[in-house]
Amino acid sequence: GESVGLHLPTLSVQEGDNSIINCAYSNSASDYFIWYKQESGKGPQFIIDIRSNMDKRQGQRVTVLLNKTVKHLSLQIAATQPGDSAVYFCADRAAGYSTLTFGKGTMLLVSP
Amino acid sequence: NAGVTQTPKFRVLKTGQSMTLLCAQDMNHEYMYWYRQDPGMGLRLIHYSVGEGTTAKGEVPDGYNVSRLKKQNFLLGLESAAPSQTSVYFCASRPDSLHQPQHFGDGTRLSIL
Repeated sequence: GESVGLHLPTLSVQEGDNSIINCAYSNSASDYFIWYKQESGKGPQFIIDIRSNMDKRQGQRVTVLLNKTVKHLSLQIAATQPGDSAVYFCADRAAGYSTLTFGKGTMLLVSP
Repeated sequence: NAGVTQTPKFRVLKTGQSMTLLCAQDMNHEYMYWYRQDPGMGLRLIHYSVGEGTTAKGEVPDGYNVSRLKKQNFLLGLESAAPSQTSVYFCASRPDSLHQPQHFGDGTRLSIL
C-alpha cells in the first residue's frame, strides 16, 4: 500500500484546533512558494501560494506566512477537520527557474 | 475537465523489462514534469519539458527517457527496469505564466521485481 508517510514528521491535533505546519527552505534566491496537500493514494493538491514580495496570504481556512530573513514558511489551518488529515508539502522556486524544490513533507493527523 | 491524467495507475514489471508511462493534460499547459516519490524522500524531479518538442533533465534522470511530441502528452520511458525504480511516479503541468502552481495527476504505482 501507500507508504509515503513513513519517517515523516507528524503533527497530531484535535478536531477544531488550529494547526501550524512549518517548512524551512535553503535558497535565498527563491521568489515563489507553494503548499500542497497529499491524501493517501492521491497526487499532491495545490492549497495556497505566496510570492516573495509578500509575507502573508490568506485563503479559505488557510494562511501562509513567509519569513525571508530566516528562510521559513508556515501553513496555518484554522478549525482543523478530520478531512484535513494528509501529508503537507512546501515547495519553492528560484527566480528564473522552471522547477520546484519540494520539502520532505509533514503528516497531519486530526482526531475527532 | 480531466486535468492531468496518468496511465496506467498500477504496473508490475520484471527486471530488464521496458515500459512507457503516459501523462496527458487538457489544460493547454506549456510546462510538464515527471517526479518520483519514495518514502522519506519527498518528490524528486526526473525530467521536465518547457514546451512541445523540448525536454530537460531533472535531479534524478538516470535510467529514464522522456518525449514531448505533442503539447498535451509527456511520456516517461524505462528502457531496462531495475528494482531501484520501484516507486510512485507523478506527472504535473503548469501554464507558461510566472507564479503559477503545478497541477498533479494521481500517480502511477510501479513495482519492479
